[in-house]
Amino acid sequence: AQSVTQLDSQVPVFEEAPVELRCNYSSSVSVYLFWYVQYPNQGLQLLLKYLSGSTLVESINGFEAEFNKSQTSFHLRKPSVHISDTAEYFCAVSPWNSGNTPLVFGKGTRLSVIA
Amino acid sequence: ETGVTQTPRHLVMGMTNKKSLKCEQHLGHNAMYWYKQSAKKPLELMFVYNFKEQTENNSVPSRFSPECPNSSHLFLHLHTLQPEDSALYLCASTQGHTEAFFGQGTRLTVV
Repeated sequence: AQSVTQLDSQVPVFEEAPVELRCNYSSSVSVYLFWYVQYPNQGLQLLLKYLSGSTLVESINGFEAEFNKSQTSFHLRKPSVHISDTAEYFCAVSPWNSGNTPLVFGKGTRLSVIA
Repeated sequence: ETGVTQTPRHLVMGMTNKKSLKCEQHLGHNAMYWYKQSAKKPLELMFVYNFKEQTENNSVPSRFSPECPNSSHLFLHLHTLQPEDSALYLCASTQGHTEAFFGQGTRLTVV
């Protein structure tokens, strides 16, 4: 079985400051890793994913995440946040080569960007 | 546009009403899911359907009744709900082990 821990439930940060949202996972098998973003009263949207290859993955809006196998982490970072980044962020994992197994989600981190 | 459409977006129902939530995906996926998202609680997986067959039911009360007539459509039939059932209900679909695609959700309020 897999589990995901998002250590921070809320992260306030000033506009244009850097941010890191932490995600650690536990799994006895290799996993795929995902970050989702949810804006108020919306569904979850995929932000970025790690399936294989380079351990550093990037999104189109400036976020990046690095897969660290030894630390079982997949932290999300952005060097300079905007007001529009205010949202809830979810880290998720899926067992490698598992077929149709539901993603396991963390509890989410609410990012609040302050002007 | 995520490829997964949920209707209605908002629903207010009394505790004695019967209503249904609908989810439709045009992505060719063969697995579909219902999630419940309550305020200040983690995302809760309710039901899983693989190739139209229910493969997971996470101890969901019988007042929630899912239906999957084909691999593109998923329903959640609701009856005699309680106020604590008020939440955002999310539908998602997957194909294999890749990412899940979510609908916009139905905001349900039980009065």
